[in-house]
Amino acid sequence: SSVLTQPPSVSVAPGETARITCGGNIVAAKSVHWYQQKAGQAPVLVMFYDDDRPSGIPERFSGSSSGNTATLIITRVEAGDEADYYCQVWDGRSDPSYVFGTGTKVTVL
Amino acid sequence: QLHLQESGPGLLKSSETLSLTCTVSGDSIRSSTYFWGWVRQFPGGGLEWIGSIYYSGSTYYNPSLKSRVTMSVDTSKNRLSLRVNSVTAADTAVYYCTTHPTISAPCFSWGQGTRVTVSS
Repeated sequence: SSVLTQPPSVSVAPGETARITCGGNIVAAKSVHWYQQKAGQAPVLVMFYDDDRPSGIPERFSGSSSGNTATLIITRVEAGDEADYYCQVWDGRSDPSYVFGTGTKVTVL
Repeated sequence: QLHLQESGPGLLKSSETLSLTCTVSGDSIRSSTYFWGWVRQFPGGGLEWIGSIYYSGSTYYNPSLKSRVTMSVDTSKNRLSLRVNSVTAADTAVYYCTTHPTISAPCFSWGQGTRVTVSS
């Protein structure tokens, strides 16, 4: 089955830019979705199909994908952006399945 | 607005069968707009898709869980159900009910989750 690798942690100062990567062979062929999960809460979709933003998500959130790596970018980081972030891909090959990334803890310094 | 509410036993023993329900409000479970899914989150934080079901009854299961999982919809009660057979401590997790518009689309809505602990 596919594997999506994320850095365990990213630290960023308020007002700076955070970049969270999601790597795997499947990324080159499939769109990536991103979720934000704050402590004690359910995940929330913040980016879908690589670079589409759901309504209600600030424009500070953007996404991109190139080759085997997708990236979630958060500009002008705020304290409220501190959370765990997970990428997700639908692997529709031999045994269809959603695959989640390993998760990244974003810490706002 | 769509609202999903999971419920379950909280604690069960190894080898037992886990049964969870997700009550849907704000729309009909027979709506062709949604697939209804289950995702679980382990104590270490990792997320795992369990499976999804369409209102017609078509199911899609995680290959790694397919032999132990059954999903169904109860249109009379507007809820969906998840059964996991022969649980072990490895099934200890928070279980979330989710929705997605197509089988490859992201999960736009999530319930608050229900915690399940399997004791030996």
